[in-house]
Amino acid sequence: QSALTQPASVSGSPGQSITISCTGTSSDVGGYNYVSWYQQHPGKVPKLMIYDVNNRPSGVSNRFSGSKSGNTASLTISGLQAEDEADYYCSSYTYSTVVFGGGTKLTVL
Amino acid sequence: EVQLLESGGGLVQPGGSLRLSCAASGFIFSNYAMSWVRQAPGKGLDWVSGISGNGDSTYYADSVKGRFTISRDNSKNILYLQMDSLRAEDTAVYYCAKSLGLNLRFNYWGQGTLVTVPS
Repeated sequence: QSALTQPASVSGSPGQSITISCTGTSSDVGGYNYVSWYQQHPGKVPKLMIYDVNNRPSGVSNRFSGSKSGNTASLTISGLQAEDEADYYCSSYTYSTVVFGGGTKLTVL
Repeated sequence: EVQLLESGGGLVQPGGSLRLSCAASGFIFSNYAMSWVRQAPGKGLDWVSGISGNGDSTYYADSVKGRFTISRDNSKNILYLQMDSLRAEDTAVYYCAKSLGLNLRFNYWGQGTLVTVPS
């Protein structure tokens, strides 16, 4: 499977909302409601932020939300905060395979 | 508290072998699928391999199929990755990751172990 396509970078000011897209195909993103998003700060371990398109694990802020339309999934972060500056990765998965996006660097201006 | 502790990384020559281990604690290990995910220096995440909770089913990325073998010892709560015929492009930090439920989304990650294969 080919990697999912994400923008290399996005930016926003504190308090604003940003959206990161993740484009795949009908064989991955478009075929299942199995998309997750991970946040990774520099030198840190990835953290699961969204799973199954729009579910948040306990402890994750409700400022983070996910959605999907066709072959494109999206992560929206509202009320942007300085601590949100990180790399974000989407992934599409089943019980037997996973494909990640190339990652998006979020800069909080 | 869930803990995943990888070990076994290091420097290995091209064509060589290495076995990674991941000691798990804080959850019923045999109830959960586990995976290895790697990250080359300065690059993105790359899923390597996964294994079902009972160890009966194993899954591999095309890039490592036939070279890497995932296994688990549920009596010792340890996940393994046997890596053979290593290549320079296998250089990465290797993370052990616990699945949230049946499907391969990962709610806990280890700190990683670095594997270096010089070119």
